[in-house]
Amino acid sequence: RKEVEQDPGPFNVPEGATVAFNCTYSNSASQSFFWYRQDCRKEPKLLMSVYSSGNEDGRFTAQLNRASQYISLLIRDSKLSDSATYLCVVNRNNDMRFGAGTRLTVKP
Amino acid sequence: NAGVMQNPRHLVRRRGQEARLRCSPMKGHSHVYWYRQLPEEGLKFMVYLQKENIIDESGMPKERFSAEFPKEGPSILRIQQVVRGDSAAYFCASSLRTANTGELFFGEGSRLTVL
Repeated sequence: RKEVEQDPGPFNVPEGATVAFNCTYSNSASQSFFWYRQDCRKEPKLLMSVYSSGNEDGRFTAQLNRASQYISLLIRDSKLSDSATYLCVVNRNNDMRFGAGTRLTVKP
Repeated sequence: NAGVMQNPRHLVRRRGQEARLRCSPMKGHSHVYWYRQLPEEGLKFMVYLQKENIIDESGMPKERFSAEFPKEGPSILRIQQVVRGDSAAYFCASSLRTANTGELFFGEGSRLTVL
């Protein structure tokens, strides 16, 4: 079983749509959780951290369920510029493991 | 403040040659990670190093691959006797010693092509 699993997609949505990505992780000792974004042929960049209480950054909402070992990312009012691959990341003792990513394409 | 610097950005090697990829972390960062990304695939963890120490190399192939992060100078990922399957983008990332914030700063990657 992979340490971090994501639905690879692709998700093709119209502008303005709401889209949700899910991620599961296998190591219950994982300490912290993040979503990264990677544009085509570019390096990944941190999008946001994920907390059990849920956290929001503008149109983006992230949620963590430790009991189910499940992480989610919700994007509201999708923009064309949101098109990218979204990577779920799990950290334990500074050892960061990435999911394979979910590809999102937002269309006009 | 310069970001993570990787070089070369592009490297072409023939089968059987050696590839050396270098990574200079951000100033003050002592944690370095190497990841491999095949075309249309996700990042695969290779190795995690701190200054002069390999912390976790569970993602490194057992043969031909090695990594180091010396006291002075950049981190080096070395691939000996390259094969076509080694063609990929190799990303280096660094983080602060005490950070558990998850913010890895990535370099722009080194793209290796094996002919």
